[in-house]
Amino acid sequence: EAQVTQNPRYLITVTGKKLTVTCSQNMNHEYMSWYRQDPGLGLRQIYYSMNVEVTDKGDVPEGYKVSRKEKRNFPLILESPSPNQTSLYFCASSPLAGSDTQYFGPGTRLTVL
Amino acid sequence: GQQLNQSPQSMFIQEGEDVSMNCTSSSIFNTWLWYKQDPGEGPVLLIALYKAGELTSNGRLTAQFGITRKDSFLNISASIPSDVGIYFCVGGGGATNKLIFGTGTLLAVQP
Repeated sequence: EAQVTQNPRYLITVTGKKLTVTCSQNMNHEYMSWYRQDPGLGLRQIYYSMNVEVTDKGDVPEGYKVSRKEKRNFPLILESPSPNQTSLYFCASSPLAGSDTQYFGPGTRLTVL
Repeated sequence: GQQLNQSPQSMFIQEGEDVSMNCTSSSIFNTWLWYKQDPGEGPVLLIALYKAGELTSNGRLTAQFGITRKDSFLNISASIPSDVGIYFCVGGGGATNKLIFGTGTLLAVQP
């Protein structure tokens, strides 16, 4: 089944403790992206990747890192999480950049205490 | 960054009623999309619009790409309980060639 998977689905952590949220897609898509969803703000793009080893900042990249060593995986790294990073995070992929059909993962709800 | 103004923010309606929501922007987009997010899930594409003035239907859903390319609306006819969720308008192909999400419309349907 074609899908985007994220892990973990829920995470509660403390300020400053490094964490990684994994994202994997099995559709051989070139483009992958991370969004955060906050009430009243819709989805805002954090980072995106046009292909392997090519990543770039989205609209709200501060406090986040990403890597794209393989086509299928695009982990989101929070080196030193802070409470303002408490949010719902979505990974998405699409065949090409700018494609209208983005396939979203199920989301990761992160709480930073 | 760019943002789309979506209204209303929320709607609470009775089953069977029609629903209308819209999205406006100060920027021009070449593509308008409508996504739906079910509770606890990621957004899923409902309708894609590619041409100014285009009117497209998908079952009980109808969406239009505004003539000015700065707005779009989505109508849902004869709502049912499974229409519950958050609806996002999305502008694409703008100056940054990225997808820009609206702030979302929360729809609740009372059986």
